[in-house]
Amino acid sequence: GESVGLHLPTLSVQEGDNSIINCAYSNSASDYFIWYKQESGKGPQFIIDIRSNMDKRQGQRVTVLLNKTVKHLSLQIAATQPGDSAVYFCAEIPLYDKVIFGPGTSLSVIP
Amino acid sequence: DTGVSQDPRHKITKRGQNVTFRCDPISEHNRLYWYRQTLGQGPEFLTYFQNEAQLEKSRLLSDRFSAERPKGSFSTLEIQRTEQGDSAMYLCASSTTSGSSDEQFFGPGTRLTVL
Repeated sequence: GESVGLHLPTLSVQEGDNSIINCAYSNSASDYFIWYKQESGKGPQFIIDIRSNMDKRQGQRVTVLLNKTVKHLSLQIAATQPGDSAVYFCAEIPLYDKVIFGPGTSLSVIP
Repeated sequence: DTGVSQDPRHKITKRGQNVTFRCDPISEHNRLYWYRQTLGQGPEFLTYFQNEAQLEKSRLLSDRFSAERPKGSFSTLEIQRTEQGDSAMYLCASSTTSGSSDEQFFGPGTRLTVL
């Protein structure tokens, strides 16, 4: 069946370093992807999205890379800060349809 | 606060009891979604509404679960005869089909504990 999954369940980085969180998806027909951040006790928060006609998109301190050949998605966070500590989910969403979440990666920032 | 709100934030109940959760979406959003999230996992889709119509239900939504959105605004999710396996975070999200963005905005969730 379709699935969206993450390679690493946990990631610890030093404050100020760059973080890279990876994700694999299995449905080659997927054309829209989102990264969500979820802090303890809160709902998922949209970080950045990318459509399949792009291979890179940049936001403020975050960059999403999409490699359709190997069905791989990554989230790069520059100059990681303590406030970035959270669980990060990659997700696949067809147009105006439900979000299919991966299992999540827990990012811990060491001060 | 004009975001998605959910009530209650926490609910503890005994097995076999019925519980009802409420979600108030962002006011101009016509789509409303319910998800369930267990510890260490990503949220799983349960059902969604467009206005008052329930358009899709996951196979996760057993006959003990029912959701309504009677006036196309707030929604309720009821679980009858709760089981310990129902313990989870229940998330609500809303979105609009009138804009160019597909973004779903999530509420803070209702954490259910079934004893």
